[in-house]
Amino acid sequence: GAGVSQSPSNKVTEKGKDVELRCDPISGHTALYWYRQSLGQGLEFLIYFQGNSAPDKSGLPSDRFSAERTGGSVSTLTIQRTQQEDSAVYLCASSKVRGNNEKLFFGSGTQLSVL
Amino acid sequence: AQSVSQHNHHVILSEAASLELGCNYSYGGTVNLFWYVQYPGQHLQLLLKYFSGDPLVKGIKGFEAEFIKSKFSFNLRKPSVQWSDTAEYFCAVNEDSGNTPLVFGKGTRLSVIA
Repeated sequence: GAGVSQSPSNKVTEKGKDVELRCDPISGHTALYWYRQSLGQGLEFLIYFQGNSAPDKSGLPSDRFSAERTGGSVSTLTIQRTQQEDSAVYLCASSKVRGNNEKLFFGSGTQLSVL
Repeated sequence: AQSVSQHNHHVILSEAASLELGCNYSYGGTVNLFWYVQYPGQHLQLLLKYFSGDPLVKGIKGFEAEFIKSKFSFNLRKPSVQWSDTAEYFCAVNEDSGNTPLVFGKGTRLSVIA
C-alpha cells in the first residue's frame, strides 16, 4: 500500500478485556516495529520483526503483551487482560530492510483507552 | 542501555526566530542519529539522519543538525521558524552495529506563534 496502515484508529475497552491491534506495513518492507507513545513519555520500543520472526522482544512490558506477523506482512499486537496503564497510542513502523540507519515509515497509530 | 535526553519539553517561539532543540544520548560507541517530526494530526516522519561523513546534516524544510561526538549531542537547528513548523520533534539513536532498536527521546513540542 501507499503507507503503513493501522487499525482500528481508536479503541476503547474495559479493564480486563483483550484487544488486538493490526498493522499493515508498506508492501515489500521486511522489517516491522511496534512502539508505544504515552503522554510525556516519548516512544517506547516494544518489539520488532524481521520477516515473520521477532529477534528482539525485549521491550514488551509484560507477558500480557504478544505480537505475531504472518506472511512477512500484516502484524497483530495483542494485549490480554488490559489494564488502565496500557492506555496509549500504539504505533507501527516499517522499513525496507532491517538496517540500523534505515528510515522508518510510521502509521498513524491506534489510540487505546482502557476504562 | 542507551538513553536519549531532550532538554526542552515545550518551546514557544515567534515566527522568524531561530530554533535550537537539544538532544543528548548516552551510548559511547558508534551511533546512528535521527530527528523525526510529528505535525498535528499527522504521522511521524523523518526530518533528517546522520550515520557517517559530514557531522552537519541538512534535512527537509531548512532544518539541520550537528553531531558533536565529544558532547554526545545531535542538536536540531533552523535559522528562521515558520508557523508551519509547529509540531512535536523527536530525537532518536541506535547503535551502528547489532540488532538494536531505535531509542527515542521524550519529544519537544514546538509552538510557533505569529
